[in-house]
Amino acid sequence: GQNIDQPTEMTATEGAIVQINCTYQTSGFNGLFWYQQHAGEAPTFLSYNVLDGLEEKGRFSSFLSRSKGYSYLLLKELQMKDSASYLCAVLDSNYQLIWGAGTKLIIKP
Amino acid sequence: GAVVSQHPSWVICKSGTSVKIECRSLDFQATTMFWYRQFPKQSLMLMATSNEGSKATYEQGVEKDKFLINHASLTLSTLTVTSAHPEDSSFYICSARDGREGSEQYFGPGTRLTVT
Repeated sequence: GQNIDQPTEMTATEGAIVQINCTYQTSGFNGLFWYQQHAGEAPTFLSYNVLDGLEEKGRFSSFLSRSKGYSYLLLKELQMKDSASYLCAVLDSNYQLIWGAGTKLIIKP
Repeated sequence: GAVVSQHPSWVICKSGTSVKIECRSLDFQATTMFWYRQFPKQSLMLMATSNEGSKATYEQGVEKDKFLINHASLTLSTLTVTSAHPEDSSFYICSARDGREGSEQYFGPGTRLTVT
């Protein structure tokens, strides 16, 4: 079966750095997405990785290792507004998005 | 960037009635649209995938006669929840993708449905 694992909840301090991991087992791979979702709102796109390596975009970076079925989202200089759920999603061989359950990130002052 | 709108943003209806939710891609042509449902503190659950001009493909366990999807144009898809019941109360989110299979999905703001 297809499976995406990410931690349920993480806590970090304002100004710090946090890494949210995602491991996946899917039938085929056509890219991995990270989305941010604030409570009561729809997800917003953060990043897309299809090749191995690190993609940096401002305070957020995303890493992919296809051989390990592993990705992480790195958030630097955390701000209170970064408190949200972070969803990992993989495009499988049928170009269907397989969603992880999301990681709730709590930022403390 | 690509924008997807949804209407209404929230709706309250009585049990047994039907509710229609619209999803529009405002600045691109969406060959494929997706409908999701999300219950509190849970992840997104894909309900169905619709391609313009063809019948929607429903995920296992989703009743196609209850959740009617119409994707009549490249910019509009509708989801009609028929004979709604309280257990249908949820956050319904649509997303749209342009013709490229590997492209990201652009999400609408969601519709919160409460059935009393």
